[in-house]
Amino acid sequence: NAGVMQNPRHLVRRRGQEARLRCSPMKGHSHVYWYRQLPEEGLKFMVYLQKENIIDESGMPKERFSAEFPKEGPSILRIQQVVRGDSAAYFCASSLQDRGQTEAFFGQGTRLTVV
Amino acid sequence: GDSVTQMEGPVTLSEEAFLTINCTYTATGYPSLFWYVQYPGEGLQLLLKATKADDKGSNKGFEATYRKETTSFHLEKGSVQVSDSAVYFCALSELRRDDKIIFGKGTRLHILP
Repeated sequence: NAGVMQNPRHLVRRRGQEARLRCSPMKGHSHVYWYRQLPEEGLKFMVYLQKENIIDESGMPKERFSAEFPKEGPSILRIQQVVRGDSAAYFCASSLQDRGQTEAFFGQGTRLTVV
Repeated sequence: GDSVTQMEGPVTLSEEAFLTINCTYTATGYPSLFWYVQYPGEGLQLLLKATKADDKGSNKGFEATYRKETTSFHLEKGSVQVSDSAVYFCALSELRRDDKIIFGKGTRLHILP
């Protein structure tokens, strides 16, 4: 059973370009989380999604950032018009929401560098 | 809202020393509590968890006990190894349908040979 798969592992974008980060959850998992980790800092919650539904996006910046988790295919975190401050590691996690079992499994992250 | 506070690092210890990393939480309900570990360049891995008061989670020599009276979930290990060097995150999740996992800021641990 494959774990959470994120790609690409490393992404370099010039300022003003778009970044698309993909996350395939573990098989059977219906919930996905996105977190951002800045160098030497902890994990900041961004968004929590169920298939075709955003449950909580309280951690998402109001502009340029969006996330989706379609019925088919991976979850996508999209950053438009990237700026240097967007450089960070972005982690996806998935969980099986079953009788309160909320243990999350993490991917290895996408390290975004904006030049 | 819910939150997790853990001791700031870095924590530097010699091999075979005793480890404690403090973690306290604030929650409105009855959360599950977790410790995750992040090795350099990697994602987070679940280290241990506890789902109700007085439960003890344990794995790889690490232990943590869910203390509801003190709202704490301190991580301990009796004898650390160089390979334990990593960042450790305390986390909680409320058992609601729309819960999310809330993390502390992480504690970097350095073990010296």
